[in-house]
Amino acid sequence: DAGVIQSPRHEVTEMGQEVTLRCKPISGHNSLFWYRQTMMRGLELLIYFNNNVPIDDSGMPEDRFSAKMPNASFSTLKIQPSEPRDSAVYFCASIWTGGEETGELFFGEGSRLTVL
Amino acid sequence: AQSVAQPEDQVNVAEGNPLTVKCTYSVSGNPYLFWYVQYPNRGLQFLLKYITGDNLVKGSYGFEAEFNKSQTSFHLKKPSALVSDSALYFCAVTSNYQLIWGAGTKLIIKP
Repeated sequence: DAGVIQSPRHEVTEMGQEVTLRCKPISGHNSLFWYRQTMMRGLELLIYFNNNVPIDDSGMPEDRFSAKMPNASFSTLKIQPSEPRDSAVYFCASIWTGGEETGELFFGEGSRLTVL
Repeated sequence: AQSVAQPEDQVNVAEGNPLTVKCTYSVSGNPYLFWYVQYPNRGLQFLLKYITGDNLVKGSYGFEAEFNKSQTSFHLKKPSALVSDSALYFCAVTSNYQLIWGAGTKLIIKP
């Protein structure tokens, strides 16, 4: 398996522009997570999907952030408009969850976002 | 509140020496416990997990972790450190079907 695939790996944009990050989870996994990592705040969970349905989006910073999962093999995280404080590495992770959550997540390589 | 603590921001160890990276947690019930490793400019990789049974869990790259229920700890260990073990290590604990993450510990192995 190719693992969790994220694109783009690097994105540099100007404040006010729209940013779309993409994720392809591992085939067969039914749960998908978006995380943000910064030096100041560490690893933060933004949103969690199960069977393509958003279950917990309490970590989404504000209305500028939105996430979708139109099918089991694709998810997007959109920031509109972007701000310099959104600069971070954004990770997508997936897992198959059955009767119990085991927590063995598989992470993508991340998308490093720089907002100027 | 549910939490995971990694009390050391950084741990320095000489190559060949044993290493320990500490993790304590405050979570109700009987959570699952995990260690992940992150190499520079990479995503997090699963190292090992404890669900139940033997308190000493063996994982990837020669790492092991010891679960101590009374101390609510899950310290990561390796008998002999390699320079290539230098990375960022995260402890995580399940709570309500989600993971609670520690802040991470930077492990530096010096030749």
